Amino acid sequence: GDSVTQMEGPVTLSEEAFLTINCTYTATGYPSLFWYVQYPGEGLQLLLKATKADDKGSNKGFEATYRKETTSFHLEKGSVQVSDSAVYFCALSEEYGNKLVFGAGTILRVKS
Amino acid sequence: KAGVTQTPRYLIKTRGQQVTLSCSPISGHRSVSWYQQTPGQGLQFLFEYFSETQRNKGNFPGRFSGRQFSNSRSEMNVSTLELGDSALYLCASSPVRGNTDTQYFGPGTRLTVL
Repeated sequence: GDSVTQMEGPVTLSEEAFLTINCTYTATGYPSLFWYVQYPGEGLQLLLKATKADDKGSNKGFEATYRKETTSFHLEKGSVQVSDSAVYFCALSEEYGNKLVFGAGTILRVKS
Repeated sequence: KAGVTQTPRYLIKTRGQQVTLSCSPISGHRSVSWYQQTPGQGLQFLFEYFSETQRNKGNFPGRFSGRQFSNSRSEMNVSTLELGDSALYLCASSPVRGNTDTQYFGPGTRLTVL
């Protein structure tokens, strides 16, 4: 079945450092790809999404590009803030329907 | 618009009991999905309902069931609770059933089975 693999954490960075969280996927058909963020004690919030190859999703300084040739959707941010500390989940939505398949999540800790 | 709401937020049950969790989707959203989140297994899809019909089901035992009402509100039920059912149960809603649609998540119900 479809699957998502993302880099293990925790990732610890200093404020204003560059962030990359790697995400690769295995899927049949043409999935949509998502990054969700979860703050302590809360549900998931959509960070960004891309629905077809070469699309770039962006939000709040975060970016990710849907690369079909490398089956990847890496998350990047040029300058992280303490407030970005959270758990980040890469996910795909199968070609038909609404089922989301999630990666294991990556804990990000940003130090001031 | 109000977001996805889930009730109750916290539940403590004992093994063998059953539990019902409720989810109210964003107004106008017709698809509701449920996910289980545990430290060991991560986020796993339970099932999806659209127009009061179950459209997709994850790999969970029959003790896990759900339903959707005509106003799109959804409930999930877990019977004969086991310790391993302790988890955060998340509900998500979206307008329709396209895979490009964003799913909006509620805050979750934290279930503890003793």
